[in-house]
Amino acid sequence: DTGVSQDPRHKITKRGQNVTFRCDPISEHNRLYWYRQTLGQGPEFLTYFQNEAQLEKSRLLSDRFSAERPKGSFSTLEIQRTEQGDSAMYLCASSLLGYEQYFGPGTRLTVT
Amino acid sequence: RKEVEQDPGPFNVPEGATVAFNCTYSNSASQSFFWYRQDCRKEPKLLMSVYSSGNEDGRFTAQLNRASQYISLLIRDSKLSDSATYLCVVNIKAAGNKLTFGGGTRVLVKP
Repeated sequence: DTGVSQDPRHKITKRGQNVTFRCDPISEHNRLYWYRQTLGQGPEFLTYFQNEAQLEKSRLLSDRFSAERPKGSFSTLEIQRTEQGDSAMYLCASSLLGYEQYFGPGTRLTVT
Repeated sequence: RKEVEQDPGPFNVPEGATVAFNCTYSNSASQSFFWYRQDCRKEPKLLMSVYSSGNEDGRFTAQLNRASQYISLLIRDSKLSDSATYLCVVNIKAAGNKLTFGGGTRVLVKP
């Protein structure tokens, strides 16, 4: 499968714990995006990378959130001290030179 | 006001019928437009890009009206498998190509 992959697909954690998600983009894509989607809403932009550089962060990305793309390939999104409001689907997408974006299957986070 | 607004529906459509719905966007700097399809608890999948002259892909036709800042999607000869949420998406290149999504329009095709 040469599409975008995300791991894990589901994560249940207790409030206050840290979680980390991984995204592997389509191999030749240089841009990688993170979005968050809650029930009944469209996805909301969080941050994006061009190669290893993080070029933009949404104000939705509080200081408890950090994302990296250390070698310009896979990316990680870490949430520290999780809160119940962090429960959502976290979606990763990749594109080549900013053209059409293709999404991975998402990581569904539940904070109890 | 949301940047991209859609009627949430649901649009209940008899199998074989035609359904059409719009979305409006507020940022006149929007440069690219897309329709994504999302099935329940799945990721969004690109359905089609929307071009200025309008474009068709099989049973799906998309139109763009820049003057009035809306895009539309028409589905002809609806199939049961067309039941999904359709997300209207705009892209502002000056903003790093991040996608701005509408809340989605739910379509239910019934036998």
